[in-house]
Amino acid sequence: KNEVEQSPQNLTAQEGEFITINCSYSVGISALHWLQQHPGGGIVSLFMLSSGKKKHGRLIATINIQEKHSSLHITASHPRDSAVYICAVRYENTDKLIFGTGTRLQVFP
Amino acid sequence: DGGITQSPKYLFRKEGQNVTLSCEQNLNHDAMYWYRQDPGQGLRLIYYSQIVNDFQKGDIAEGYSVSREKKESFPLTVTSAQKNPTAFYLCASSRFDINSNQPQHFGDGTRLSIL
Repeated sequence: KNEVEQSPQNLTAQEGEFITINCSYSVGISALHWLQQHPGGGIVSLFMLSSGKKKHGRLIATINIQEKHSSLHITASHPRDSAVYICAVRYENTDKLIFGTGTRLQVFP
Repeated sequence: DGGITQSPKYLFRKEGQNVTLSCEQNLNHDAMYWYRQDPGQGLRLIYYSQIVNDFQKGDIAEGYSVSREKKESFPLTVTSAQKNPTAFYLCASSRFDINSNQPQHFGDGTRLSIL
């Protein structure tokens, strides 16, 4: 069992749909990251959060520290959102990240 | 523009050869990291460095070596001792501050294959 669990593993959607990707972890953390990996392999950091909610454009990330759970939402999805979305957590008192296996999203026009 | 440059994008190695993957950053970050990505698995930490001339083993350091002679550069050598080197390798960097969270910036990766 991974220390960081993501669901679903694969997700397909029609353009315009609202997307939710979930991330659960098992121990106390100091921060949680959402990353986007493009088909070519490069990774972009989307959010880093330790509480509450952050919004950037059509992307929204939330975290519930008590429940050890985070969600990444994409509103009005578009084919260019197609990518692998990766959740990573930083445990307390360390600067190492533990990564989930990713959620592969495909948005069709 | 500031960022992380990994080269080459694709690399082929013969059995028994050592190869070195390049990672350069111009973000003035203190910390640098090497990760390995395999299909169906999360990124795993190979080595990391928080300051010049110092580095620590990550979770899967066996068969790899690194150096940190300059702040901007953190090359990774995949040695012949690494029995299963075929993978996608990602380099990252961040500001280092043990008292606060810093985002990691990633390069575009190098895909290594065995001939």
